[in-house]
Amino acid sequence: GAGVSQSPSNKVTEKGKDVELRCDPISGHTALYWYRQSLGQGLEFLIYFQGNSAPDKSGLPSDRFSAERTGGSVSTLTIQRTQQEDSAVYLCASSLRGVTDTQYFGPGTRLTVL
Amino acid sequence: RKEVEQDPGPFNVPEGATVAFNCTYSNSASQSFFWYRQDCRKEPKLLMSVYSSGNEDGRFTAQLNRASQYISLLIRDSKLSDSATYLCVVNPPYYGNNRLAFGKGNQVVVIP
Repeated sequence: GAGVSQSPSNKVTEKGKDVELRCDPISGHTALYWYRQSLGQGLEFLIYFQGNSAPDKSGLPSDRFSAERTGGSVSTLTIQRTQQEDSAVYLCASSLRGVTDTQYFGPGTRLTVL
Repeated sequence: RKEVEQDPGPFNVPEGATVAFNCTYSNSASQSFFWYRQDCRKEPKLLMSVYSSGNEDGRFTAQLNRASQYISLLIRDSKLSDSATYLCVVNPPYYGNNRLAFGKGNQVVVIP
């Protein structure tokens, strides 16, 4: 079956612009995660969605970052007024119910802020 | 102290040899443990969960040592295709059911 998909695969933007990243999780997965991975660094948790519950936003690094998940499926991560330090690979993952289930990752969006 | 610590390596391993590495975690009450594999410029994929009694999947063996708060991964008869970064992943209790803590990974390079 289809895995997690993300778009775009690459995004180059200028400092100060807004960007929107998209994630399509595996159908039927109620849990959705966003992570950020900078060069040589581990995965940094950003936000977690579980069904209709309020998302866990505790990993978002600043108020320039926001995310939503519509209809319990597709999610978008928005970064406003991008900064050079936002450059990273943004990974989305989904799992059946929660963290004890296997997380299936998408291929990521490589964001470069010039 | 970081939640999960790994020696980044690289671990250069001759093809056919055995390689083992550990990962330490800071919270003794952590309950769930995993090894994920990440190939260069690719997304992480689950390699195996780590159970209290230890578990084996083909050439891969994972162990959990709660007393010393580490998990280990052993790869026997290394193949060139085993070259990757192996991420140690833990679910600390203060994260509830919401998130996992990922280590930076152990980079393994299998040499012909």
